[in-house]
Amino acid sequence: ILNVEQSPQSLHVQEGDSTNFTCSFPSSNFYALHWYRWETAKSPEALFVMTLNGDEKKKGRISATLNTKEGYSYLYIKGSQPEDSATYLCAFNGNQFYFGTGTSLTVIP
Amino acid sequence: ETGVTQTPRHLVMGMTNKKSLKCEQHLGHNAMYWYKQSAKKPLELMFVYNFKEQTENNSVPSRFSPECPNSSHLFLHLHTLQPEDSALYLCASSPKTSRDYGYTFGSGTRLTVV
Repeated sequence: ILNVEQSPQSLHVQEGDSTNFTCSFPSSNFYALHWYRWETAKSPEALFVMTLNGDEKKKGRISATLNTKEGYSYLYIKGSQPEDSATYLCAFNGNQFYFGTGTSLTVIP
Repeated sequence: ETGVTQTPRHLVMGMTNKKSLKCEQHLGHNAMYWYKQSAKKPLELMFVYNFKEQTENNSVPSRFSPECPNSSHLFLHLHTLQPEDSALYLCASSPKTSRDYGYTFGSGTRLTVV
């Protein structure tokens, strides 16, 4: 079993604040890193797939970076809105998918 | 809607019951997966099907029995479950099992075993 760590486990931010969280993974056998956004009672929704060291992806106010040499990815949310409240899951894709436990984000209006 | 539909959304069953979970996708994907999520734990892979053939069984107890009659449908048959089997069961699909592809998930079935 491979360890994919996400931190923090949960956080609360005020509307308008920017925030970021981390996904750590082994740096060997790396193929891709996936980020998913998972709202309560809904399906996890794919946000980003990153494959190259130094990759940066952006979707609206959400962006992500990737460092495969040191084994981490950051997810940033700029100007958080209540609708950003969700669990953000990362998945390390080596020989198979290994998921983290997620970061639960609550944005307080 | 992601295109992967799971039913039922919620299920409560006794330890002696037999029930089935259903997953359906019409995305044209050929790989389908069952995952289990227990509280505070990562998603745990249970089974993988590729073109209707089971390609992975992640040491899952035999009280969980998958069935994939075609590439669009996946079932998980449950019998004589234990309370510790209470969890969220997620279905996912992808074009192939190749690691070139990410997953499309369903919303899950919340299972409670009493």
